[in-house]
Amino acid sequence: DAGVIQSPRHEVTEMGQEVTLRCKPISGHDYLFWYRQTMMRGLELLIYFNNNVPIDDSGMPEDRFSAKMPNASFSTLKIQPSEPRDSAVYFCASSTRTGNGNTIYFGEGSWLTVV
Amino acid sequence: GENVEQHPSTLSVQEGDSAVIKCTYSDSASNYFPWYKQELGKRPQLIIDIRSNVGEKKDQRIAVTLNKTAKHFSLHITETQPEDSAVYFCAAFFKGGRRALTFGSGTRLQVQP
Repeated sequence: DAGVIQSPRHEVTEMGQEVTLRCKPISGHDYLFWYRQTMMRGLELLIYFNNNVPIDDSGMPEDRFSAKMPNASFSTLKIQPSEPRDSAVYFCASSTRTGNGNTIYFGEGSWLTVV
Repeated sequence: GENVEQHPSTLSVQEGDSAVIKCTYSDSASNYFPWYKQELGKRPQLIIDIRSNVGEKKDQRIAVTLNKTAKHFSLHITETQPEDSAVYFCAAFFKGGRRALTFGSGTRLQVQP
């Protein structure tokens, strides 16, 4: 399996622009997670899905952030409008059951810089 | 709340020495504790994990111990090598609340040749 696939790998955008990050989970994984990594806040869970349904979005920082999972093999994280403080690495991860906790597998990350 | 404290934030050891990283968690119902290694510019990758029904687990030079009573767990790396240099994250799965992994703040390990 190719693992979790994210795009773009790097994005530089201007403040106020819309940013869309994409993720393809590992085939057969029914949980998908979006994490954000910064020096100040470490690895934060933004939102996760089970069987394409959002389960917990309490980590989404504000209304500028939204995430969707239209099918089992694709998810997007959108920031509109973007701000410099959104600059971070955004990781998508997937796993099988998490009822009792299970390994999550990270993608390579999307490195976002908002100037 | 769901909280994982990790110490130290940085650790420097000589090649061949042992390294120990410690984490504490807030929810006594937590039952799954993985450790991830993240090399510079790369993704976090699982190196070892332990479930709450086990007190210790070993895999070659790395081991993890769990003390459920004290709600803490530790990563032990023996005979460290320069390629062990990375950031290490502990995590805990909280069965209540979000029912997802919460990560510690990370430990930057530097192994001096």
